[in-house]
Amino acid sequence: AQSVTQLGSHVSVSEGALVLLRCNYSSSVPPYLFWYVQYPNQGLQLLLKYTTGATLVKGINGFEAEFKKSETSFHLTKPSAHMSDAAEYFCAVPLNTGFQKLVFGTGTRLLVSP
Amino acid sequence: DGGITQSPKYLFRKEGQNVTLSCEQNLNHDAMYWYRQDPGQGLRLIYYSQIVNDFQKGDIAEGYSVSREKKESFPLTVTSAQKNPTAFYLCASSMRGTGRDQPQHFGDGTRLSIL
Repeated sequence: AQSVTQLGSHVSVSEGALVLLRCNYSSSVPPYLFWYVQYPNQGLQLLLKYTTGATLVKGINGFEAEFKKSETSFHLTKPSAHMSDAAEYFCAVPLNTGFQKLVFGTGTRLLVSP
Repeated sequence: DGGITQSPKYLFRKEGQNVTLSCEQNLNHDAMYWYRQDPGQGLRLIYYSQIVNDFQKGDIAEGYSVSREKKESFPLTVTSAQKNPTAFYLCASSMRGTGRDQPQHFGDGTRLSIL
């Protein structure tokens, strides 16, 4: 069955530093993968998605993620953190059913210090 | 602009009371979902609906009920049978079909607390 694991419930970086949020997936079929961001007391917003084709996916707000099949990973990165990036980030994979049901990771809270 | 509207933003429930959370979308999406979010547990699916007048239980449906009488609306009722209802509830929608690459779009949530 499809699943995702996010390593690290909290990640702390300084402003201007590299952001790396980890996501590993388990899937019996070629996966589609999503990253969402959630700001406090708000819903989830799609950052980027991997479907097929290019393994390096660019999203909004300067984020990107690379699909690595050999490592079953889809880590999210941003070269330089900004204070406004402080939020919770979720990795998700759809189940291999005839219906688009998403399975979410438990989330990683990104803390950005000045 | 198209989007999903959840109301109210904050809701309080007394013991033994049923409460209903509203979710309306104008994205012309066929599929709609309700999630419950608790700290450290990610999102868990309560109910989902692929089409009007049809819905299915998700992973944690006990103590909840839904209806789907209109394409735009998917209200969630938290019944008195739900013993631990305090959580953040999120409604989402997506285009229908088997397209596993279709993302879900989310509302801004309703925070439910027990008085």
